[in-house]
Amino acid sequence: DAGITQSPRYKITETGRQVTLMCHQTWSHSYMFWYRQDLGHGLRLIYYSAAADITDKGEVPDGYVVSRSKTENFPLTLESATRSQTSVYFCASSDRTGRRDGYTFGSGTRLTVV
Amino acid sequence: KNEVEQSPQNLTAQEGEFITINCSYSVGISALHWLQQHPGGGIVSLFMLSSGKKKHGRLIATINIQEKHSSLHITASHPRDSAVYICAVRVPGNQFYFGTGTSLTVIP
Repeated sequence: DAGITQSPRYKITETGRQVTLMCHQTWSHSYMFWYRQDLGHGLRLIYYSAAADITDKGEVPDGYVVSRSKTENFPLTLESATRSQTSVYFCASSDRTGRRDGYTFGSGTRLTVV
Repeated sequence: KNEVEQSPQNLTAQEGEFITINCSYSVGISALHWLQQHPGGGIVSLFMLSSGKKKHGRLIATINIQEKHSSLHITASHPRDSAVYICAVRVPGNQFYFGTGTSLTVIP
């Protein structure tokens, strides 16, 4: 089925560990995004990518690294996790059409850093 | 400073009521999305607007580009409409800015 898949759904890690959150989409959307969602802040953009091998920082990129070697995958890595990175992370993909489904979200990854 | 402001933050309605959620933004946009997030956490795009009005079932979304304002209306509300509704604006360069959401509860 076409869609966008995030893994894992839940993750608990220790401070200082490296963690990678995976995102895979089958829409062939050119744009992909990583957001974090925290109470009182809504969704905030961490990084986005316009195409394979093109990435740009969003509003809150510090402490995160992304890569996009293939159009369908956009992993997010926390190089050394901190408690402030405890959050729900959403991956999204987008094309340039006016269709409602031209902007789709994964189910989210709930990350807890202890 | 928030680029996108939504009101109200919380809304409780009786089943069958007509509901309006408002979104104002302060940046130049190429499009505006209304998103729905259910208690399970999943987010879906309801509408993408660049002008005028769109309708899908009981949902209607309007946008006034000159006034930098959009509204989401739900006619004949139902308990299954209970969710958080988020306004998101797409700016040139394809970044998005989000409102903090409106939490809607529809009581049977």
